[in-house]
Amino acid sequence: LAKTTQPISMDSYEGQEVNITCSHNNIATNDYITWYQQFPSQGPRFIIQGYKTKVTNEVASLFIPADRKSSTLSLPRVSLSDTAVYYCLVGELIVTSTLTFGKGTMLLVSP
Amino acid sequence: EPEVTQTPSHQVTQMGQEVILRCVPISNHLYFYWYRQILGQKVEFLVSFYNNEISEKSEIFDDQFSVERPDGSNFTLKIRSTKLEDSAMYFCASTPGDAQPQHFGDGTRLSIL
Repeated sequence: LAKTTQPISMDSYEGQEVNITCSHNNIATNDYITWYQQFPSQGPRFIIQGYKTKVTNEVASLFIPADRKSSTLSLPRVSLSDTAVYYCLVGELIVTSTLTFGKGTMLLVSP
Repeated sequence: EPEVTQTPSHQVTQMGQEVILRCVPISNHLYFYWYRQILGQKVEFLVSFYNNEISEKSEIFDDQFSVERPDGSNFTLKIRSTKLEDSAMYFCASTPGDAQPQHFGDGTRLSIL
């Protein structure tokens, strides 16, 4: 399994764009990059997933450079409710591939 | 949007007792998982389940743990003879198949006294 490294914490203010970068130098050819969000006392919630280049949905964007050794989750115009832990996971998109969570990045959004 | 639902939200049990945690996965999903998260620690994989049998299990999932899909909707995790260190949030997840993300429930907080 590819090891991931992300900042332990980040601070931001309401209305700002937040970019959380994840390093995964040993990513394998068949691996995808998936980001989850977790609020206290809740289960992880899927945010976005990608293989290469850029993926965008209604919640976030995911930027993946050509070498795929890192990825950046971009949250546009964050609000207080975006305060959560964000996890970057790398692995194959097959049902037998269990999710391996790291410590994630604790994002604190202030007024 | 369909959700994975878990009951109870909080379970308090005496050490040594058996507990059953219940999950209702999303209806068209075929693959089911249990994870746990001890307070302040990482989310850890316990077991995956497909076609009425265990697909994979972690070292945590020892003989005190078992899973079952007793009917077409429920997916349960049983812990026999609970220990203090079993206190954690237990999350159920499901997915319809390959190339699809796992969707998690909001968990059951298990407190062993």
